[in-house]
Amino acid sequence: EVQLVESGGDLVQPGGSLRLSCAVSGFTFSSSWMSWVRRAPGKGLEWVADIKQDGSDKFHVDSVRGRFTISRDNAKNSLFLQMSSLRAEDTAVYYCATKSRYAMDVWGQGTTVTVSS
Amino acid sequence: DIQLTQSPSFLSASVGVRVTITCRASQGISNYLAWYQQKPGKAPKVLIYAASTLQSGVPSRFSGSGSGTEFTLVISSLQPEDIATYYCQQLSSYPITFGPGTKVDIK
Repeated sequence: EVQLVESGGDLVQPGGSLRLSCAVSGFTFSSSWMSWVRRAPGKGLEWVADIKQDGSDKFHVDSVRGRFTISRDNAKNSLFLQMSSLRAEDTAVYYCATKSRYAMDVWGQGTTVTVSS
Repeated sequence: DIQLTQSPSFLSASVGVRVTITCRASQGISNYLAWYQQKPGKAPKVLIYAASTLQSGVPSRFSGSGSGTEFTLVISSLQPEDIATYYCQQLSSYPITFGPGTKVDIK
């Protein structure tokens, strides 16, 4: 069974940093593009970042570019999102997901990031 | 950026009724469109990919159609367990974007 488990969410002050992790099992992690998606309170889904199988290509939404970085460790079946210069508007549940050309197929349960003083 | 609009934003219908949700893209996206269902406190779940392909394990009362700029998600017979918010998503080009969502309730 494919499983994605996010961790690392926390309460952090504005301007602070956080690293989210996504532990993957049940499939060949190194063969899959991966994504981060978030949902802010009372709002809809927002794509955050994608990374290619070998990490050679990365894409980030404009609102986080330069502050967030997606990365992966295929040897450890893990996906990461390094977040810095956090703002109140980054408060959200963050999901990792496997990504194919036509959909985000399998999702984790999410981890909550709250940015507040 | 490709913008997606959904209509309606909210709908309330009786059990057994046919429900249609529309998603329109600001430019052509071929069939690079997916539909997701999200229930409160849960992760999104893909229902339809490539505009019209039913994800394995998803009930056959769900169906998708369309290409280019106009797409529809149909629930042929609404069930109580279908209470959720439904999102369309385009994967044609970056940035990947989602529609604003359609909240479905039972009357």
